[in-house]
Amino acid sequence: QVQLQESGPGLVKPSETLSLTCTVSGGSISSYYWSWIRQPPGKGLEWIGYIYYSGSTNYNPSLKSRVTILVDTSNNHFSLRLNSVTAADTAVYYCARGSIVAGRMDYWGQGTLVTVSS
Amino acid sequence: DIVMTQSPDSLAVSLGERATINCKSSQSVLYSSNNKNYLAWYQHKPGQPPKLLIYWASTRESGVPDRFSGSGSGTDFTLTISSLQAEDVAVYYCQQYYTPPYTFGQGTKLEIK
Repeated sequence: QVQLQESGPGLVKPSETLSLTCTVSGGSISSYYWSWIRQPPGKGLEWIGYIYYSGSTNYNPSLKSRVTILVDTSNNHFSLRLNSVTAADTAVYYCARGSIVAGRMDYWGQGTLVTVSS
Repeated sequence: DIVMTQSPDSLAVSLGERATINCKSSQSVLYSSNNKNYLAWYQHKPGQPPKLLIYWASTRESGVPDRFSGSGSGTDFTLTISSLQAEDVAVYYCQQYYTPPYTFGQGTKLEIK
């Protein structure tokens, strides 16, 4: 059974960089797409971007200038970096697997709350 | 970006009754080369991650009860729960994966009447 687990700081200061890692277990990171999605408190879901196991990426234009997603196939994890954060970046961040096509997300991590505050 | 609009925003249905949620996309998500609608439905319960229910607009994900069904094509889609169970209380989202950025509807909160 494929499992995804997000990890990283739960509190980030404004203007700093949010960094999260998603560790994949129970399956290989190869041959799939790996996405980050977030949900601000009381709001809906926003897709941040994906990385293919080969390293190609696609980012949401609304965040593109601040986002980097990287993959580490040897350690079966991928990561999110979001720089110059503000309070508007406070959200539950989910990682998810895309299979068949990138946007069909069949396995999700439990999510991790990241709060941006000084 | 493709805008996904769900209706209603909230819905209260009696146990055992039918629940219907609608989703409209601002442009067609039907890919003509394979005749597939790039539309998914997710169920989201508090404290849990979203769960994929339906993809290709009408294909149930493995393990999803058959009381859940999806229909529609092009720009108009429907998620139907044929006989509501207590465990179906959740927020339901439609999502297009036709083209990035992948976008979700605003969500429909389903409750028991």
